[in-house]
Amino acid sequence: GAGVSQSPSNKVTEKGKDVELRCDPISGHTALYWYRQSLGQGLEFLIYFQGNSAPDKSGLPSDRFSAERTGGSVSTLTIQRTQQEDSAVYLCASSLKGVNGYTFGSGTRLTVV
Amino acid sequence: KQEVTQIPAALSVPEGENLVLNCSFTDSAIYNLQWFRQDPGKGLTSLLLIQSSQREQTSGRLNASLDKSSGRSTLYIAASQPGDSATYLCAVSGPNAGKSTFGDGTTLTVKP
Repeated sequence: GAGVSQSPSNKVTEKGKDVELRCDPISGHTALYWYRQSLGQGLEFLIYFQGNSAPDKSGLPSDRFSAERTGGSVSTLTIQRTQQEDSAVYLCASSLKGVNGYTFGSGTRLTVV
Repeated sequence: KQEVTQIPAALSVPEGENLVLNCSFTDSAIYNLQWFRQDPGKGLTSLLLIQSSQREQTSGRLNASLDKSSGRSTLYIAASQPGDSATYLCAVSGPNAGKSTFGDGTTLTVKP
């Protein structure tokens, strides 16, 4: 596509429910990244994909968080048993082989109530 | 572990003024450095990308410089306008073109 697309743009969920966030990167971009930004905070790295493999998962905060990427394209970030501290904006970025800088999507604002 | 610091955290200037935003990083073994703009409630928009072999990049009223050896980058904004009001973030990638480390940003307010 022309840009990085994220869905949904907003998600309100009850504590304890599972959520799935989707990222559709720019066509042909092999690298894909997930970050989150809590209110008034900086960007926190979560996970990085090169193709379908994830060479760096070091930022996933707990085993409730997982992500996958299929066909070298769409990625989903899944949060199980959501907690209030998971409330944040989840940002996805893609890059051409990781060398040409990032292009970000508009993010998914997750609110856990 | 790479650490990125942006100073100042906030800056307020009158319209028309030239200004400089600073970014410093602790590990000089970087692949590239990228400056972004973030408007409230929005995602990040890329402004300039500097590869590690480059010294500066320019786009319109924006000029970004990179001094790898000293671990510093500056973003120069000429003739500032109220529409430039936003948070500016720098991000450092590398050394293997993997994840980038972001600074906490400088929030710029340009007063008419």
